Amino acid sequence: EDKVVQSPLSLVVHEGDTVTLNCSYEVTNFRSLLWYKQEKKAPTFLFMLTSSGIEKKSGRLSSILDKKELFSILNITATQTGDSAIYLCAKQGAQKLVFGQGTRLTINP
Amino acid sequence: DGGITQSPKYLFRKEGQNVTLSCEQNLNHDAMYWYRQDPGQGLRLIYYSQIVNDFQKGDIAEGYSVSREKKESFPLTVTSAQKNPTAFYLCASSAQQGRGEKLFFGSGTQLSVL
Repeated sequence: EDKVVQSPLSLVVHEGDTVTLNCSYEVTNFRSLLWYKQEKKAPTFLFMLTSSGIEKKSGRLSSILDKKELFSILNITATQTGDSAIYLCAKQGAQKLVFGQGTRLTINP
Repeated sequence: DGGITQSPKYLFRKEGQNVTLSCEQNLNHDAMYWYRQDPGQGLRLIYYSQIVNDFQKGDIAEGYSVSREKKESFPLTVTSAQKNPTAFYLCASSAQQGRGEKLFFGSGTQLSVL
């Protein structure tokens, strides 16, 4: 079965901390690795990664892919309460997008 | 404004009842998807459709049915055969199959069993 595994499943930190979220996947039928943020209802797209070692960055968020070890990380520096959300990792295959379980991130003031 | 509209936001199902969740898009997208979200399990694919009058089963299709009679509409029926239907259901669309970075999501329907 196509699997994407995220860790931790839940994380609570204080405002200003740096967090690292992990995502591992199976190599079959791999096209790209995607990260989404789900604050309330609809997930919103953050990053798409296709090549190893190339960091994608947007403000305080960054992400990188390791295609040899089959994982990706999402880093958030200087966290703010508005970063509280579920972060979803997904593997894009030729036809299907397979999601991980998500990491619920809570930022306390 | 272009987007995806799901309705209703909340739905209650009685034992043995079929219920239908609506998903409409005005983005002119060919591909449409239905996902189920349970706490701690991320999103799981129920059905997807690449073109009108064609659809494929996803990973958890049992107890669900869909139709794609119009490009803009992809309704999901939760049948009485689905024994554990309580979940958050998300509809999504994209211009092309296999372009997750171009996926647009609706705001979801929360289905609960009475």
